[in-house]
Amino acid sequence: SQTIHQWPATLVQPVGSPLSLECTVEGTSNPNLYWYRQAAGRGLQLLFYSVGIGQISSEVPQNLSASRPQDRQFILSSKKLLLSDSGFYLCACPRKSGTDNEQFFGPGTRLTVL
Amino acid sequence: RKEVEQDPGPFNVPEGATVAFNCTYSNSASQSFFWYRQDCRKEPKLLMSVYSSGNEDGRFTAQLNRASQYISLLIRDSKLSDSATYLCVVNTGGFKTIFGAGTRLFVKA
Repeated sequence: SQTIHQWPATLVQPVGSPLSLECTVEGTSNPNLYWYRQAAGRGLQLLFYSVGIGQISSEVPQNLSASRPQDRQFILSSKKLLLSDSGFYLCACPRKSGTDNEQFFGPGTRLTVL
Repeated sequence: RKEVEQDPGPFNVPEGATVAFNCTYSNSASQSFFWYRQDCRKEPKLLMSVYSSGNEDGRFTAQLNRASQYISLLIRDSKLSDSATYLCVVNTGGFKTIFGAGTRLFVKA
């Protein structure tokens, strides 16, 4: 069965500092991978998705970037964090559920930018 | 107009009550529909898929009205453990899965 690991679980960073969040997936090969952000009291916002190694699509302009160096590894980065980057960052991949593909989420990284 | 809209609540109900959540979506070409549950400070988890014929899973019933672009979730005999945020989710095909902002439910003894 699929498992998604994310680290770190919690992070507090000063404004202007760099960021690297990691996501790894087990139990599936060549998955589509997604990065979402959930700001406090808000819905999930799709940031990036990837259909394969080195292939990244960005959904919203921002100071974040994503990379996929390996089939089951997805990294979210920033060179300089903003206060508005605070939020709950979730990595996801599709998982078969009956006749549909649900979005299956990792445990998330809670980022606070001070 | 938001692609997926939900009443944010919160809904405060006593144990044993029946509560209904509604959701509307804007893209008539949407293909798949889901309800997710998100506990405080946790990741969202699939509660159930939603089909045009309606589907039931224990105390939970989901319905889809494609003509009205409307999705509902009914929870019967509410339990304290049902307290959570319920997310309406729509897939428009391909890579686009749109999440509603969620409806918060508090079930009280």
